[in-house]
Amino acid sequence: KQEVTQIPAALSVPEGENLVLNCSFTDSAIYNLQWFRQDPGKGLTSLLLIQSSQREQTSGRLNASLDKSSGRSTLYIAASQPGDSATYLCAVVNYGGSQGNLIFGKGTKLSVKP
Amino acid sequence: EAGVVQSPRYKIIEKKQPVAFWCNPISGHNTLYWYLQNLGQGPELLIRYENEEAVDDSQLPKDRFSAERLKGVDSTLKIQPAELGDSAVYLCASSLAPGGGGGDTQYFGPGTRLTVL
Repeated sequence: KQEVTQIPAALSVPEGENLVLNCSFTDSAIYNLQWFRQDPGKGLTSLLLIQSSQREQTSGRLNASLDKSSGRSTLYIAASQPGDSATYLCAVVNYGGSQGNLIFGKGTKLSVKP
Repeated sequence: EAGVVQSPRYKIIEKKQPVAFWCNPISGHNTLYWYLQNLGQGPELLIRYENEEAVDDSQLPKDRFSAERLKGVDSTLKIQPAELGDSAVYLCASSLAPGGGGGDTQYFGPGTRLTVL
């Protein structure tokens, strides 16, 4: 059974710092991996989607990497801003009968202090 | 373009009462998902629809939960009777591709926060 783990559970940094969020998964037979952002009381917003054949994806100040063989992904946020404060969730899609179903980690709650 | 719409946003009910949640996906999206999110946890899939067909409902507690997606557009998730442990956020998502949408981004609605007293 696929399990997704995110470390750390919470992170507080001063504005302007570069930071890395970590995600690991137990079964490397994945279709893709996605990073989401969730603001309090709101739904999830997709940030980056990495297909299993890709190594990384970039969007603005965000860069996500994928090492499928080791079961790891990182989300790098450059020059953090207070507006980046949110919970960041990592999710994978497995091959097989549940293809299309996202399996989520518990998230990392990020706080960027002005 | 309108996103995924859910209603109500908040619901408070007494235990043993029924409750229903409604979702309108993004226009043209064939795949619709219902997720359950407990506090401090990631969302967990309850059911996935491809058009009108529930293709994965293995995680849906069928003794009290039911869902439907009439005409392959809007969907309703029902709980009857509700229990204290059902207090959570219920999220609806949709994606464009049929056949599982494994390669497509899922777009989430704001969720319905259910409190069972």
